[in-house]
Amino acid sequence: QSALTQPASVSGSPGQSITISCTGTSSDVGAYDDVSWYQQQPGKAPKLIIYDVSRRPSGVSNRFSASKSANTASLTISGLQAEDEADYFCSSYTSSGTAVFGGGTKLTVL
Amino acid sequence: EVQLVESGGGLVQPGRSLRLSCAASGFTFDAYGMHWVRQAPGKGLEWVSGISWNSYSEEYADSVKGRFSISRDNAKKSLFLQMNSLRAEDTALYYCARDLRGYSLIRGIFDMWGQGTMVTVSS
Repeated sequence: QSALTQPASVSGSPGQSITISCTGTSSDVGAYDDVSWYQQQPGKAPKLIIYDVSRRPSGVSNRFSASKSANTASLTISGLQAEDEADYFCSSYTSSGTAVFGGGTKLTVL
Repeated sequence: EVQLVESGGGLVQPGRSLRLSCAASGFTFDAYGMHWVRQAPGKGLEWVSGISWNSYSEEYADSVKGRFSISRDNAKKSLFLQMNSLRAEDTALYYCARDLRGYSLIRGIFDMWGQGTMVTVSS
């Protein structure tokens, strides 16, 4: 149950786009579409922003998009806004019937 | 209001036990799988355990297998985590979270979260 691999930090200026990668294995990200992304603001509980690789829950901005290729999932945030500054975590179902998170990526809006 | 409220955290000595609870409201609790996810101070999220809607399936992270036990009482709309043989590395904020899919095996997509209850393991 090794954690999925995410960059520790990314940054971008308002209006720009950024992409966060999430690399797993053929036993998790590469095997299932149960891949999800979470946004966590300081002092708050995580919030689901993407599920089933690329689907957005109701109420989540369409500036958030995601995809998957082989063992790597990616989250893209377009038109960066100051309110997007947060920690982002990916997660995947695994062949062991468990779930695994990425280490998290801190997004800084410059 | 749709919500999850955790309780039962606190300061406990290494080797001792603690039982966490999560009270659900505002949705059909017995239709959904449920999970515990923890976050050590300043660290990332770690999935701990999950249980299916009907309690037929339970899963655990390797780090807690054999020490923690998840259970639920659908009549009382409550989720529990019995934590035994606690270690310093179990110190974390413990979140209760709902699995996205109803009437399904747990798939590890968490669409609702509580605010967490803090567990500190220290002598």
